Amino acid sequence: QQQVKQSPQSLIVQKGGISIINCAYENTAFDYFPWYQQFPGKGPALLIAIRPDVSEKKEGRFTISFNKSAKQFSLHIMDSQPGDSATYFCAASGYSSASKIIFGSGTRLSIRP
Amino acid sequence: EAGVAQSPRYKIIEKRQSVAFWCNPISGHATLYWYQQILGQGPKLLIQFQNNGVVDDSQLPKDRFSAERLKGVDSTLKIQPAKLEDSAVYLCASSSGWSFSGNTIYFGEGSWLTVV
Repeated sequence: QQQVKQSPQSLIVQKGGISIINCAYENTAFDYFPWYQQFPGKGPALLIAIRPDVSEKKEGRFTISFNKSAKQFSLHIMDSQPGDSATYFCAASGYSSASKIIFGSGTRLSIRP
Repeated sequence: EAGVAQSPRYKIIEKRQSVAFWCNPISGHATLYWYQQILGQGPKLLIQFQNNGVVDDSQLPKDRFSAERLKGVDSTLKIQPAKLEDSAVYLCASSSGWSFSGNTIYFGEGSWLTVV
């Protein structure tokens, strides 16, 4: 019940296309859903996050879509660029200082020029 | 603002040897985390400190792993004796705590451990 399932494992998208990564969770106590971006040799960095009181959050080319009833959320990268090539992790957490953040298994995204 | 500092960046040891990793979090961050990231997987929390107290160490293999955070600032993670399956990147992270917008965790670049 603590798992966050992420798909696909890897994704290749043409430059300018839309990249879509999906995640699903079981624990209805999760109340905070961040996405992290990780470049090779670096630690993950927060990209964008959403709370379940909204169905969508957009920051520049990055959008999180959230479906509370289906317990699913996804990351959309519009106009994908080669610089977006990285590994993306979805995550979920309860909303308190005692909650730990559970990460998905990651999606390796490659943007072809 | 300086980021989370970790050392060493790379370490190769033989199985059954010991190793220690050091972390200096972002100044003023009360919460410090150690994550283990095995190649191709997401980070897994090993231990979480709030100041110098342990909040969660449920996934820390306590027979071989230990961690401490003295004076609520720097932290060390020790593995003794190491096993082959401990080969991973050990990520230290810190945060200033929860706010209305959530909990932003800042990661260091990691310490890469290879056990041979």
